[in-house]
Order: sequence, then C-alpha cells, then structure tokens
Amino acid sequence: DVKVTQSSRYLVKRTGEKVFLECVQDMDHENMFWYRQDPGLGLRLIYFSYDVKMKEKGDIPEGYSVSREKKERFSLILESASTNQTSMYLCASSFATGVTFGSGTRLTVV
Amino acid sequence: DQQVKQNSPSLSVQEGRISILNCDYTNSMFDYFLWYKKYPAEGPTFLISISSIKDKNEDGRFTVFLNKSAKHLSLHIVPSQPGDSAVYFCAASPGGSNYQLIWGAGTKLIIKP
Repeated sequence: DVKVTQSSRYLVKRTGEKVFLECVQDMDHENMFWYRQDPGLGLRLIYFSYDVKMKEKGDIPEGYSVSREKKERFSLILESASTNQTSMYLCASSFATGVTFGSGTRLTVV
Repeated sequence: DQQVKQNSPSLSVQEGRISILNCDYTNSMFDYFLWYKKYPAEGPTFLISISSIKDKNEDGRFTVFLNKSAKHLSLHIVPSQPGDSAVYFCAASPGGSNYQLIWGAGTKLIIKP
C-alpha cells in the first residue's frame, strides 16, 4: 500500500510566520499534490508536481510556494502565514491508478 | 465556475436504507470519475471509480452510476451503515488520467441509527 505521510497532524502558528508543511510518499510516485480543504469548498488544489524540481500552480497558489528536491518529498511553504490560511492541508501522490492522500495537517494561524 | 458540483451539502439516511449521493459535471471531456470518502481529521480515501465507457460499477455495498448524456453520476450505498457517516467527494478527470482531478465540494452523509 502506498503511504503518504504528513509530518504534523496539528499546527498552530502566528501571523507572519514562515510555515513548512512536509509530505513524504514511499511508492516512487511521480505526481504529488497539495490541497486545502475548507467546509463547503471541497478540495482546492494549491500546487502540484509531476517530477523532481518541477512544479505547477493549482487553483489557489497565492501565498504559497512548494519545493520538490527529491522524488519522495513535496513541501508546502507559507511564506508569511495569515489567518485566512487556517485550514486542513492535504498532501497526495499518484501514479496511474489512483490518488492517495496523507492524513492531513490541521493548521491554525492566530 | 465549478465543473464538478455536489449540490447537497449534507444528507441524512436511516441505517439499513439506501444512501444516494449525487454529482453533476459540466465538462464533456471528463472521462474518468472517482468517489472518495473522508472522515474528520483524516485524509480522503478512495472508494470507487468509473470510466466513461461504462454506466455502472459495483463494489460490494457501493455502486456508482454514470449518465453521460445528463452529465450526472451517483453513488449508491446499500445498506447504509453507521460507519458510512463521512464526507463524500466526487472527482473527475479529463483524458483518463488522475494527473489532475477536479473535485466537488463534498456531501456530508449522516447515517441515523
């Protein structure tokens, strides 16, 4: 089974802090994704990557950046956290037969 | 403009009865559809999928129906069980690849004992 591991389940950060969310997958998948989930809005794609050092903007990239230096690791960076970035963040990876999600990180920005 | 719509934010069903979750899409290029289930504080997990060459796919208590002419798909759960209480997301993919999935907003299913 593919495992997608997100480093933190819960995070509380202050406004203006730089925040790193880490995600690791163990099945050599090429595609990795970062989503945020908010009530009534479903899953919104922030960024995705289809290869090492490659990244593409999703639907809501503003205020975020990503890093993919190794195939198994995809990091989401909040350059300067704001309260409207309080959300559930979900990392996912895929190859051809399905998307597998991590358990999510509940980020609260105060 | 939402290309995948789940118009019911929530649905309440008696245990043992049928749960029907609906999803509409606008893009006729979508040819692969998936349903995911999400419990609170967990990531979504894959439930069932269907290719546009089919109109039905069944897996145990779960059946997905696809009506291409109406651009509509539905997920049937029979019989509904308390453990089915979760948020269900519909997703669609163009070109038969899940490289990029377009997600609905989700429907919260509540199974009443």
